Amino acid sequence: GNSVTQMEGPVTLSEEAFLTINCTYTATGYPSLFWYVQYPGEGLQLLLKATKADDKGSNKGFEATYRKETTSFHLEKGSVQVSDSAVYFCALATNTGNQFYFGTGTSLTVIP
Amino acid sequence: DGGITQSPKYLFRKEGQNVTLSCEQNLNHDAMYWYRQDPGQGLRLIYYSQIVNDFQKGDIAEGYSVSREKKESFPLTVTSAQKNPTAFYLCASRAPGTGGPLNNQPQHFGDGTRLSIL
Repeated sequence: GNSVTQMEGPVTLSEEAFLTINCTYTATGYPSLFWYVQYPGEGLQLLLKATKADDKGSNKGFEATYRKETTSFHLEKGSVQVSDSAVYFCALATNTGNQFYFGTGTSLTVIP
Repeated sequence: DGGITQSPKYLFRKEGQNVTLSCEQNLNHDAMYWYRQDPGQGLRLIYYSQIVNDFQKGDIAEGYSVSREKKESFPLTVTSAQKNPTAFYLCASRAPGTGGPLNNQPQHFGDGTRLSIL
C-alpha cells in the first residue's frame, strides 16, 4: 500500500541552526512528493514539491530531494528562524486515483 | 484572489444535532476533499469528490455525509451518529494534471473549521 513515515517530533532548535526532518515513503508506481507547513489554527500551505526522481523542490530556503533509491524526501533548511516554527507534513500522491497520503506531521519550535 | 473558503471558523454542536460545514472554492478545481485533524495528529480522509455529483468515502466516513451539487461547493455534514466530532476539519481542492501524469498537482487547503461539542 501507500504510506508516508515522518520523523517524530517535537523538534526544538536554536535560531540559525540546521534543520532536517526525515520523510520516507512506500508507494506503488511513481508518486509525486510534497511538503506542507501548518501554522497554529490554520490550514496547510504547500511548501515545496517534486514530481520525479532526483528532482529538488525548494522554497523560502527549504529544500528536499526526491530519492527513489532510498524512498526518501527529507526536508532541510540551512538556517532556521523563529518564524519557521510550525508543523511540517510530508505527503505523496500516486499516479493512479486522486488521493493524497500524509505523514503524521513534525512539530518544529525555533527559539531565539 | 482565488482560494478555498471554509465557514464558520468555529462551530459548536449540541448532542444529537447535525451540523454542516461549508467549503467553497473559486479555483475551478475538479477534485475536493474533507479531512479531520485531531490534536497532535495527522490528517485523516473523510470523503472526496473528483467531479460534480460524485463522491467516495475515505478512511473515516462513518457519521459524516457530503454532497457535490456544484463544482465550487463541497459541504460536509457531521451527523448525530458521529460520537466524537470534536476536531479541526480541513477542506482541500486539487486541479487536474496538465499535459502529463495526473499526480503532479498539489492540494490547496482552506483555513479550517474547529468543531466543538457543547
